[in-house]
Amino acid sequence: GAGVSQSPRYKVAKRGQDVALRCDPISGHVSLFWYQQALGQGPEFLTYFQNEAQLDKSGLPSDRFFAERPEGSVSTLKIQRTQQEDSAVYLCASSLAAGGPRNEQFFGPGTRLTVL
Amino acid sequence: GESVGLHLPTLSVQEGDNSIINCAYSNSASDYFIWYKQESGKGPQFIIDIRSNMDKRQGQRVTVLLNKTVKHLSLQIAATQPGDSAVYFCAEKGYSSASKIIFGSGTRLSIRP
Repeated sequence: GAGVSQSPRYKVAKRGQDVALRCDPISGHVSLFWYQQALGQGPEFLTYFQNEAQLDKSGLPSDRFFAERPEGSVSTLKIQRTQQEDSAVYLCASSLAAGGPRNEQFFGPGTRLTVL
Repeated sequence: GESVGLHLPTLSVQEGDNSIINCAYSNSASDYFIWYKQESGKGPQFIIDIRSNMDKRQGQRVTVLLNKTVKHLSLQIAATQPGDSAVYFCAEKGYSSASKIIFGSGTRLSIRP
């Protein structure tokens, strides 16, 4: 079956531009996560949705970052007034349940954002 | 604060040999650990996991060892193959919750022919 998909796969933005990154989770998955992965580093948590509710946004680095999942499926991560330090791979992951044993997260391929 | 880290950033192994990747963690309350494999241009892929009430778990060609006394994890890959070339991350999360994953900084495994 289809896994987590993300679009675009690559995005180049000029500093100050706004960008929108899309995540299509696995169908039926309740939980959705966004992570940021800087070059040579491990992914770092940004935010978490359970259905349409954003339950944890403690990892968002600034108020320029905004995420939504209005219908509880597709999610969009928006970055306003991009800065060079926003350059990274943005990963989306989904899991079937809201809790329970293991609750494995399945990752998409990521969107590589380069801010010039 | 919480952190999961790795001893070595790179590891080069002869094809066919066994690989051992090490990881240290600092949060003694951590109860669930996962190893991920990330190939170039792809997202992290689950390899194997272990709960804190275990000290060893085996999968297909992989074994994870957990030493809670010294807060150390290792991933052993038997008979390393070219397809094993990737970056490997140890990670920690809550076992029974939809909680965030806390990743270490990764070890790049390269295979010599």
